[in-house]
Amino acid sequence: AQSVSQHNHHVILSEAASLELGCNYSYGGTVNLFWYVQYPGQHLQLLLKYFSGDPLVKGIKGFEAEFIKSKFSFNLRKPSVQWSDTAEYFCAVKGTGGFKTIFGAGTRLFVKA
Amino acid sequence: ETGVTQTPRHLVMGMTNKKSLKCEQHLGHNAMYWYKQSAKKPLELMFVYSLEERVENNSVPSRFSPECPNSSHLFLHLHTLQPEDSALYLCASSQEMTGLASSTDTQYFGPGTRLTVL
Repeated sequence: AQSVSQHNHHVILSEAASLELGCNYSYGGTVNLFWYVQYPGQHLQLLLKYFSGDPLVKGIKGFEAEFIKSKFSFNLRKPSVQWSDTAEYFCAVKGTGGFKTIFGAGTRLFVKA
Repeated sequence: ETGVTQTPRHLVMGMTNKKSLKCEQHLGHNAMYWYKQSAKKPLELMFVYSLEERVENNSVPSRFSPECPNSSHLFLHLHTLQPEDSALYLCASSQEMTGLASSTDTQYFGPGTRLTVL
């Protein structure tokens, strides 16, 4: 069965610090990978996605993620966070050929101004 | 504005009540989804509809009954719910269901309905 593990439930950083949120998945086949973000009081929205090609994916607001197939990982990174990055971040995986997108439990990021 | 709207935004109901949640997407998508978001738990997929046909029922209790009359509207009918069903119910849509790597698998979410069952 597919599963997604996000290593940190809560992360607190100061502005300008670097960010890396871990995501590992369990699935034997080809996958589509996503990071979604939910800002306080707002909809869940897509941050970035990987389908094929370059394993380093760039998304909105300076975020990027790297797909490492051998490690079943899709970690999210940002070199310098801002207070406005305070949000909950969800990693998600969808196996090609299936209908389900499986979400991780989420990581709450709080950035201190 | 994501193009996916949900009503009501908040709902309080007793265990014997019958109510319905409504979702509407204005994006011309062919697939729609219901998710349950509970505190400290991963987002749980409940139902998936593709071209108005249910293609996934993720072992959801029968007290939740989905309906998809057309590709723009999705309902979740609720009856005899339990307090543990209290959660945020999210609707999402995507352009189409595919079995291949495709950018059309991106889901767009509504704001959710915060449900409290007393």
